[in-house]
Amino acid sequence: NAGVTQTPKFQVLKTGQSMTLQCAQDMNHEYMSWYRQDPGMGLRLIHYSVGAGITDQGEVPNGYNVSRSTTEDFPLRLLSAAPSQTSVYFCASSQSGSVDGYEQYFGPGTRLTVT
Amino acid sequence: GNSVTQMEGPVTLSEEAFLTINCTYTATGYPSLFWYVQYPGEGLQLLLKATKADDKGSNKGFEATYRKETTSFHLEKGSVQVSDSAVYFCALGNFNKFYFGSGTKLNVKP
Repeated sequence: NAGVTQTPKFQVLKTGQSMTLQCAQDMNHEYMSWYRQDPGMGLRLIHYSVGAGITDQGEVPNGYNVSRSTTEDFPLRLLSAAPSQTSVYFCASSQSGSVDGYEQYFGPGTRLTVT
Repeated sequence: GNSVTQMEGPVTLSEEAFLTINCTYTATGYPSLFWYVQYPGEGLQLLLKATKADDKGSNKGFEATYRKETTSFHLEKGSVQVSDSAVYFCALGNFNKFYFGSGTKLNVKP
């Protein structure tokens, strides 16, 4: 199993550009999520999904869109990049639709810089 | 609401010293509690978890007990090694959402 994979590893965008961060998992996990990690702030939940076709907002959803058409993939779209979106982005997946008590598996992260 | 507060770092210890990293939380309902570890340039890995009050999670010599009365989940290890140097995150899982503390960097010197 490859686990959770993310592409790209690094990305530089200009303000106003759009892009999609890719996330895939091969563990048949129902639950997938996106986080951003900023210095001194830990990880903050952007969006999550409890199964194909079902998504919901986390703590910091503004400026990001997601969709879940398959169990395996959960892409994160930046509609119009802003410098405030400079961060490290992590995708994670979990066995159950409920994260309570279940381990989340994290991808290696995407480091995004918006200039 | 839900939130996690953990002690600020960095924490610098000598090898074989005792480690405590404090974590307190606020939550609605009955959350699960977790400690994750992040090594440089990597994603987070689960270190241990506890799903109900008075549960003790343990792994690789690390322990933490879910204390509902003090809303705490402090991480402890009796004898740290250089290889334990990393950033440690306390986290809370509740109603399909995770909430992370800000992380505590641990440096262990030989």
